[in-house]
Parts: sequence; structure tokens; C-alpha cells
Amino acid sequence: SQQGEEDPQALSIQEGENATMNCSYKTSINNLQWYRQNSGRGLVHLILIRSNEREKHSGRLRVTLDTSKKSSSLLITASRAADTASYFCATDGYNQGGKLIFGQGTELSVKP
Amino acid sequence: EAGVAQSPRYKIIEKRQSVAFWCNPISGHATLYWYQQILGQGPKLLIQFQNNGVVDDSQLPKDRFSAERLKGVDSTLKIQPAKLEDSAVYLCASSFGRGGLAGRRETQYFGPGTRLLVL
Repeated sequence: SQQGEEDPQALSIQEGENATMNCSYKTSINNLQWYRQNSGRGLVHLILIRSNEREKHSGRLRVTLDTSKKSSSLLITASRAADTASYFCATDGYNQGGKLIFGQGTELSVKP
Repeated sequence: EAGVAQSPRYKIIEKRQSVAFWCNPISGHATLYWYQQILGQGPKLLIQFQNNGVVDDSQLPKDRFSAERLKGVDSTLKIQPAKLEDSAVYLCASSFGRGGLAGRRETQYFGPGTRLLVL
């Protein structure tokens, strides 16, 4: 069963705007990861945030984690058409041996 | 650094036929994963290897799916016989696993996937 649930399922914005995607999960985690998938391609790792971290930045990406609410958000600032892709959160559960459980994904469309 | 290689990229078969997928992970990666991704969903883990041993195959339909990683490097995933609901993209991923440095061992690197259509 999927642990992560992502919201929204689809998001359409204009270039230059910010995009925010949310992820909720159910059980305790070691870390939470965000991946991007372009149409017809494999997944690309974007960022990992550990359970003892609250916020992390990487370039135009900002990830927050609230373990009390079992939720995370991914913010992409100043979006570009090239950011058009599906974004997945994946949880590395406590005592799960590194197994990742992926959410359903958010389909982001950035219009030029 | 070469990425995760998978072949074939596409496969079309009829139900009840057999099919096999191949994966070559990134050199030095001890952990190898096979995922099934049905259209519109996130990837679902089928099986995880640490070197040539199985760590987790709890979601592998063992009556029809099998996988091996005999020498702890490349791996094959087989479906025999295929059903219509097996139509999906099969993704292979690898990671450093327990032997990796902190902050790097958990990141999984994905191949391009094999798109399977069962008619």
C-alpha cells in the first residue's frame, strides 16, 4: 500500500510562479525524499530530509518536514517550463531496511 | 559515472507469455531494487537485493514473478506467465546501501525503465 499521499494531484502554473506540493504519510520515518519524473523517464532524486531536520534547501527547492503532523512540502521557486514533471515523495520508514514507499505523485505543468 | 542501465526499453507481449527484464546498477552500489509503476501511480517496490541476497520481496507476486542477482551485480526480473494487469513500467534502481557514506547510502538512482504492454 502507498504510504505517502500527495496533494494536489495536478498543478498548473505560469513560469516564474512558485509551486508547492504537499505529502502526508502514516508511520514513523528515518527520512523523506523527493523525486522528479519526466514523462517516459526514470526518477531523479531531488532532495532528502531526515526525521530530525525541519527544513532543507537545494537551489530553487525548499523542503519542510513536520513529523508531528507527518507531512512534508516541496516548494519550487521561480518555476521554469523545464520543471514540468511529476513529483513524488518517498518515505524511508523506521526499521524498514531502506525500503522506500512512494506517494501517488503531483503532476506539475509550468506554462511558458 | 554511468547510470543504471535497463533493457529492453519497450516490450509488447500477449497474456500468458513470458518476459524478462535486465538491469545493470551503478558500479559499487550494493543495493538493487525493482519497482513496478502502473500508469498514474507512484512506483511500488517489488524486490530489494543487498549484494546477491534478498532483503525484501514481500510485494513480489511469487506465483508469476521471479528475480535474481546471482553475482551481486546485474539482475533480471522475469514474469511467467504475464497477465493484462502486469502492463506497467518496470524500474530498476540502485544505491550504495549500508556500505555507503552517511548522507549518500539512502539515495536511489533509477534507470530509464522498461515499459511493458500485455495484450
